[in-house]
Amino acid sequence: AQSVTQLGSHVSVSEGALVLLRCNYSSSVPPYLFWYVQYPNQGLQLLLKYTSAATLVKGINGFEAEFKKSETSFHLTKPSAHMSDAAEYFCAVGEPWGKLQFGAGTQVVVTP
Amino acid sequence: DTAVSQTPKYLVTQMGNDKSIKCEQNLGHDTMYWYKQDSKKFLKIMFSYNNKELIINETVPNRFSPKSPDKAHLNLHINSLELGDSAVYFCASSGGTSGGAVETQYFGPGTRLLVL
Repeated sequence: AQSVTQLGSHVSVSEGALVLLRCNYSSSVPPYLFWYVQYPNQGLQLLLKYTSAATLVKGINGFEAEFKKSETSFHLTKPSAHMSDAAEYFCAVGEPWGKLQFGAGTQVVVTP
Repeated sequence: DTAVSQTPKYLVTQMGNDKSIKCEQNLGHDTMYWYKQDSKKFLKIMFSYNNKELIINETVPNRFSPKSPDKAHLNLHINSLELGDSAVYFCASSGGTSGGAVETQYFGPGTRLLVL
């Protein structure tokens, strides 16, 4: 079975500072990896996904993630945090039949 | 136009009652899902349907029964509600054949269920 682990359930960043959210995966086969964002009282929205085409994946809202097989990682970054980035972020791995295994989530708080 | 919609948005009910949550998608997708998000924000898949056929059925109590009248709709019926069923239930859909591990899933806004 595949799984992901998100390090840090809460991250606080200053507006304008780097956002770094960590995700490590466990998979016996090349994984499909996703980052989703959930704004308060809303559903999830895809930020970006890794499908083996390129190790550096660019997503929406200035986010990007780098797949590192040697480290089994897929960390999410954004160079400069904005107040609107405050949300819950989920890393997930895709399994057959569209089954997504989500990490526990990381809540991002942006301070002025 | 809302891509994936759910009704109701909020549902407050007593233990032992039976309730249904409806989901509709207008994206033309073949696959739909139900997820449960608990109070700690943990998300877990419950069911998945592809073209009205059940393809994922996780370890969920028999009190939960999904029904897909057509590929644009996936409803969730819950019998004999228990306190532990309180959660946010999300519907999602994806395109492609049989969902697939690589497909993007589009989520509805969620239904917040509170069992008293």
